[in-house]
Amino acid sequence: EPEVTQTPSHQVTQMGQEVILRCVPISNHLYFYWYRQILGQKVEFLVSFYNNEISEKSEIFDDQFSVERPDGSNFTLKIRSTKLEDSAMYFCASGTSRSNKNTGELFFGEGSRLTVL
Amino acid sequence: AQSVTQLGSHVSVSEGALVLLRCNYSSSVPPYLFWYVQYPNQGLQLLLKYTTGATLVKGINGFEAEFKKSETSFHLTKPSAHMSDAAEYFCAVSEVAGGFKTIFGAGTRLFVKA
Repeated sequence: EPEVTQTPSHQVTQMGQEVILRCVPISNHLYFYWYRQILGQKVEFLVSFYNNEISEKSEIFDDQFSVERPDGSNFTLKIRSTKLEDSAMYFCASGTSRSNKNTGELFFGEGSRLTVL
Repeated sequence: AQSVTQLGSHVSVSEGALVLLRCNYSSSVPPYLFWYVQYPNQGLQLLLKYTTGATLVKGINGFEAEFKKSETSFHLTKPSAHMSDAAEYFCAVSEVAGGFKTIFGAGTRLFVKA
């Protein structure tokens, strides 16, 4: 069964450093998303991406964040200068198959845990 | 804009007892509704979804949920809890107009006592 894969599973970084989180969405999906979950809190929407551009972003997704689909398979989230409060689990998701009737279901990766020291 | 409210951040039941996790939503258009489960240190797994059609939907692991438009609710139930059901459960709503942006509730942690 196709799945969304994320790397790294855990990254520790120093405050102020740049971080890139990588995701490989399901190949025939059209929409891609990043979500964030601070430890013990709710899953928060960051950004959605469609047709090689951002379709929607939340207030959290400020100028420190960027997303890119550099090739036909990867979808990355970059945090330019990390802050302590960026420590969280970051989930990538994809949805809306080209070939199947749209169900609105998102398929999530296992997450990348970011720890900023 | 859509939103989701989950009543009760923690629910504790005995093994074999009924599980009821409450979810109310707000949406400006007919919503798609979901329940996801998250086990410790893992990602989000879809339990069940409502898009159109039958309002009682069945999912994996014996869970089901009923969409009640008049009550704007989508409560999750399971007749008999199992120890393996202990996890965090998230209700979620998405709208077609939002590119299926999915908004999650705050989550309910289910504890199952032996």
